[in-house]
Formats: sequence, C-alpha cells, structure tokens
Amino acid sequence: AQRVTQPEKLLSVFKGAPVELKCNYSYSGSPELFWYVQYSRQRLQLLLRHISRESIKGFTADLNKGETSFHLKKPFAQEEDSAMYYCALSIGAGNKLTFGGGTRVLVKP
Amino acid sequence: NAGVTQTPKFRILKIGQSMTLQCAQDMNHNYMYWYRQDPGMGLKLIYYSVGAGITDKGEVPNGYNVSRSTTEYFPLRLELAAPSQTSVYFCASSYKGQAPGTQYFGPGTRLLVL
Repeated sequence: AQRVTQPEKLLSVFKGAPVELKCNYSYSGSPELFWYVQYSRQRLQLLLRHISRESIKGFTADLNKGETSFHLKKPFAQEEDSAMYYCALSIGAGNKLTFGGGTRVLVKP
Repeated sequence: NAGVTQTPKFRILKIGQSMTLQCAQDMNHNYMYWYRQDPGMGLKLIYYSVGAGITDKGEVPNGYNVSRSTTEYFPLRLELAAPSQTSVYFCASSYKGQAPGTQYFGPGTRLLVL
C-alpha cells in the first residue's frame, strides 16, 4: 500500500535561514508527488508538483527515486512561509491523493 | 466563482445523531473528494466520485455514506455519529484532464461528537 511520511511535525527557523522539509514515500508504481500548503485561515492549496520541476515562492523539490524522497527546500526562509505543509502522492485513477502527516513551519523574525 | 463551498463550518453532534455535510462546487469539475483530518494527522480519503452517479470508497469509509446525483453537489452523510468521527472534514474537486495532483479544497467543516 502507498504511504507518505513526513518525519518532522514542527520546523522552527529564523528568517533568512534555509529550510528543508522531509518527505518519504512508499509506492510500488511510478510516483507522482506534490507539495500542498495551508496558510493561516486559508484553504489548502497546491504549492508545486515534481513533474513540473518548478520553483514556486522560492521553494523547490526534487524527486529522488533511489531514496524514495521528495524533500522541499528553500534557501532563505521568509516570515510569510510560516504555514502547514503537506507532501502528497497521486495514486491511481480519479486523481486521488495520499497525504503525509504534515509539517508546521514557523519562521521567526 | 465561489469554488468549493462547505456547510456548516462547525457542528456539535451527540453520539448516535446523524447529519449531512454539504459540499458544492461551481467549476463543473467531474472529480470530487471527501477527506478527514484528525488532530496532528494528515488528510485521509473517505470517499470520492469521478462523476455524477459514480462513487467509490477511499481509505476510511466506515461510518459514512455519499451520493452524487449532480456534478455540483457531493454530500457526506454520517448516520450514527461516534466520538471517533470528531475531525475536520474537507471537500475537494478536480477535473479529468487537469494536471495530476491538482485539487481545489473547500474551507472545511469542524465536527465535534460528544
């Protein structure tokens, strides 16, 4: 069965410091992975997808099939990055998602 | 467009009561989903639908029922509420052909069963 693991429940960093959110997955098929973000009092929204190889709001994520990881990184964290971040795996037909437990990021001034 | 809307925002139920959580989307999306999020946990898929008249179980369907008579609405029914169903419920939608993994979420319904 598919599984997504985010080992850190809370990451606290200072503004300007790098931040890395870990995500590991287990899936027998070809994985499609995503990062979702939920800012305070806002809806859950897609941040980025691995297949696009894009940088959104300074964040990047690289799929490492050998290590079954999809870590999210940003070199210089900003206070507005404080939010809840979820790693998700797309499974099967119907565009269904399996989510990790989430990591809360707190960027201190 | 209002996107995905959910009602109510918050509800307290007594054990054994029943209720329907409402979800609507005005984007003509064919896929819709219900998730629950327990404190400190990620979202778990309860039920999903790939079109009107078609529904299927997700990871945690026990204690819930759904229906999808139209494209716009996807209500979630709790028949006999239990404390284990205390959670935040999210409805989401997407459309076939959209980039994989893209779902649009509602604001959530917080349910407390006492």
